[in-house]
Amino acid sequence: TQLLEQSPQFLSIQEGENLTVYCNSSSVFSSLQWYRQEPGEGPVLLVTVVTGGEVKKLKRLTFQFGDARKDSSLHITAAQPGDTGLYLCAHNQAGTALIFGKGTTLSVSS
Amino acid sequence: DTAVSQTPKYLVTQMGNDKSIKCEQNLGHDTMYWYKQDSKKFLKIMFSYNNKELIINETVPNRFSPKSPDKAHLNLHINSLELGDSAVYFCASSSAGEVNSPLHFGNGTRLTVT
Repeated sequence: TQLLEQSPQFLSIQEGENLTVYCNSSSVFSSLQWYRQEPGEGPVLLVTVVTGGEVKKLKRLTFQFGDARKDSSLHITAAQPGDTGLYLCAHNQAGTALIFGKGTTLSVSS
Repeated sequence: DTAVSQTPKYLVTQMGNDKSIKCEQNLGHDTMYWYKQDSKKFLKIMFSYNNKELIINETVPNRFSPKSPDKAHLNLHINSLELGDSAVYFCASSSAGEVNSPLHFGNGTRLTVT
């Protein structure tokens, strides 16, 4: 199993701060997906990164796929309470389903 | 309209009982999944079905038996429930023919075994 390590595990910040969370592995991936899960709900896809070095933006969220396609980061600018949730990275492993990292729990207080 | 719906949302039962969770998707997807999320929020694949056929069974105890009557439904029956089965169970669906097809999740069933 190709493991995905996410860090930090927990992050508690004030509204308006910037933050970065990481998803790392020793394996090379053809693509990575990022999901956000809010309390009481299922995970929802934010973005898929496919090309090494790729940067994708989703409003205040910036996703980057490492040049070697072994890691990815999510940067949030001026965090808001609505950004609170569990952020999960995931990849499709051949012969099985989408495999998830253990996630970063983000809490943004106003 | 809810894309992936699962019932019930909460399930509280005693050890040794048998229970079922139902899942339906109206997205026209051909692949459905069951995931288990433990108390530490780790989301782990249990089963995957493609066109009603089981394609993935990730070393889940035999007490767990999925059933897919058609492409739009995937139910999960659990026999002889144990304390360690307490978790949130998520149903999801995707399209096998779509490159990097995202998973669409239901809102989970929180199972508590006492």
